[in-house]
Amino acid sequence: SQQGEEDPQALSIQEGENATMNCSYKTSINNLQWYRQNSGRGLVHLILIRSNEREKHSGRLRVTLDTSKKSSSLLITASRAADTASYFCATDLNTGGFKTIFGAGTRLFVKA
Amino acid sequence: EPEVTQTPSHQVTQMGQEVILRCVPISNHLYFYWYRQILGQKVEFLVSFYNNEISEKSEIFDDQFSVERPDGSNFTLKIRSTKLEDSAMYFCASSAGLSGETQYFGPGTRLLVL
Repeated sequence: SQQGEEDPQALSIQEGENATMNCSYKTSINNLQWYRQNSGRGLVHLILIRSNEREKHSGRLRVTLDTSKKSSSLLITASRAADTASYFCATDLNTGGFKTIFGAGTRLFVKA
Repeated sequence: EPEVTQTPSHQVTQMGQEVILRCVPISNHLYFYWYRQILGQKVEFLVSFYNNEISEKSEIFDDQFSVERPDGSNFTLKIRSTKLEDSAMYFCASSAGLSGETQYFGPGTRLLVL
């Protein structure tokens, strides 16, 4: 597996339901970020969690980080049709320099 | 709210031609990045830049690529002799600090090499 893999690859839910996306990585990281991308558009930063943090909230978003399992999850509660997008995790590697690796993303479709 | 801007939004070029993609990072940011995203694929790291030099680069960032901060505001990516497989969306990003700082992305430049 590669650094930064999300699952599921695609997720379809009804409006109002919760959506959970997972990300796994392989190497030591400084922090992990989640981004949203609407089709063909730029990346919107959602939340950053540092390697010494375990959970973070921002509005309807909840992110967890388990460095022992090298995994993170993004939970979107009470989803809306406007949440339809691709969601990517990105890991900032602990390389001495700075290098960010993105996963392949989860495509979320929220049905109204 | 300050934002990263990129020009042009779209560029079409012939194979073998040189292209320069331009970015204006957020003004007080010190760290700059270029990424690319081939259609339907994931975002790939190309290069990071700090203090007027490259900090890290990926295996994609070979000799045909170069970056420059020619003045206090612009950050450019030059592709010297474009190939068909360089067709992609190119994103610039900037951050205020290093680890633990959010990277803010520009809207991207869609490059098409014919």
